[in-house]
Amino acid sequence: DTAVSQTPKYLVTQMGNDKSIKCEQNLGHDTMYWYKQDSKKFLKIMFSYNNKELIINETVPNRFSPKSPDKAHLNLHINSLELGDSAVYFCASSQDSGVYGYTFGSGTRLTVV
Amino acid sequence: DAKTTQPPSMDCAEGRAANLPCNHSTISGNEYVYWYRQIHSQGPQYIIHGLKNNETNEMASLIITEDRKSSTLILPHATLRDTAVYYCIVIFLGNTDKLIFGTGTRLQVFP
Repeated sequence: DTAVSQTPKYLVTQMGNDKSIKCEQNLGHDTMYWYKQDSKKFLKIMFSYNNKELIINETVPNRFSPKSPDKAHLNLHINSLELGDSAVYFCASSQDSGVYGYTFGSGTRLTVV
Repeated sequence: DAKTTQPPSMDCAEGRAANLPCNHSTISGNEYVYWYRQIHSQGPQYIIHGLKNNETNEMASLIITEDRKSSTLILPHATLRDTAVYYCIVIFLGNTDKLIFGTGTRLQVFP
C-alpha cells in the first residue's frame, strides 16, 4: 500500500491550459503539503494544510490553488500554465505538524510546452 | 535561508561507514536538527532528528556536538542504495510544518 500517492506521475501540457494533480494519503496524518522542485533541484514548500485548513501559503502565484476535500486528500490545481511551472511537484503528509518527519509521495513531473 | 552548510558531494565505499557533516553555527537552543535524503527520482525520505543528544534508529545515527554548532549523520554500512542527496535541516519544533530544504550533500556510494 502506497502511503502517499500522487497522480499523474507525468504530465505534459501546453501553455495556457489548466491542470490538476491529485494527492492522497492513507496514513491518517493531519497535515498535508505541496512542494515544488525546480530544474536546479531546489525543494520549496508551496502549501500546507492541516485538517482541511490552509496554514501556509508561500509566495506562490494565485494561479495555483490547493483544494482539500477531506483530511486524506490535497489536490493542486494550476490555471493558465506557464513554461516556468515545469518542475517536479511533491505531495507530503505528516502527523503533529511534522515533528516525527514527513512522508513524501513519489512526485509528479510537470512539463509545460 | 537553510541555516546549514553541507559539502556539496561525498564518496563512500560500499560497506564502509558514511559520515555526512553539517554545520549549523547559528542554531538556537530550541531548534532541532533533521536529516532527510532524496534518492534519484523519488520524494525525500525522513531519516532521523535530534536536539542535543545523540540519536540512533534503524537507518542511521546522528551525532550532535556539545555546542550544537555541527552534527554528523552516520550510515554505518553504506550500500549502493544509499546513494542520494542528504539534507540537513535546522528548525524550531513549532515550525516543523514548514520544512526548508537547502542544497544538501550528494553521497555517491561506490562498489
